[in-house]
Amino acid sequence: DQQVKQNSPSLSVQEGRISILNCDYTNSMFDYFLWYKKYPAEGPTFLISISSIKDKNEDGRFTVFLNKSAKHLSLHIVPSQPGDSAVYFCAAGNTGTASKLTFGTGTRLQVTL
Amino acid sequence: GAGVSQTPSNKVTEKGKYVELRCDPISGHTALYWYRQSLGQGPEFLIYFQGTGAADDSGLPNDRFFAVRPEGSVSTLKIQRTERGDSAVYLCASGPAGVGEQFFGPGTRLTVL
Repeated sequence: DQQVKQNSPSLSVQEGRISILNCDYTNSMFDYFLWYKKYPAEGPTFLISISSIKDKNEDGRFTVFLNKSAKHLSLHIVPSQPGDSAVYFCAAGNTGTASKLTFGTGTRLQVTL
Repeated sequence: GAGVSQTPSNKVTEKGKYVELRCDPISGHTALYWYRQSLGQGPEFLIYFQGTGAADDSGLPNDRFFAVRPEGSVSTLKIQRTERGDSAVYLCASGPAGVGEQFFGPGTRLTVL
């Protein structure tokens, strides 16, 4: 069973516009969430995280929103740049277990000129 | 500073052979993780070390998989009697503690013929 789901395998956005990537989870024990970005032939790179005690976290062009009641989080990138083109993974963890992250299947973002 | 490094970057082996994959974590990171990523999927947790001990090995698929971290730094993932289904990218990550951001290496692409 997929505990973290990214239902959009791909997304295309024009440069300068907003990119919104979505993620849903089913396990209510998850209490922190992360977004990773991955380029081909490289490992995932940490982008931004959010704890379940918050509903929003912002870092420059990147903002993550968490809706606990809906078990949904989203990553907003504003403005989108061509260098943002990559695969984005949503991941979730539990501070009690302090170990594994559970990842979604990823969304490939393409930012066009 | 140096990031997480993994060797080899690519490994091709024949079904039934034994392989070892190496991970050099970021210096000072006590937490070390192994993940496996199959095509079109997100990274899937295998095992987590805190120091020298395996704190959580619940993700290892079967007893053909084993990992060690004898001195609390470098780790080796060992796969016996490899099968074609073991073909994947094996990712290693490290972190300063057991909770929060994990820093990933570039991965080892294992192909079992």
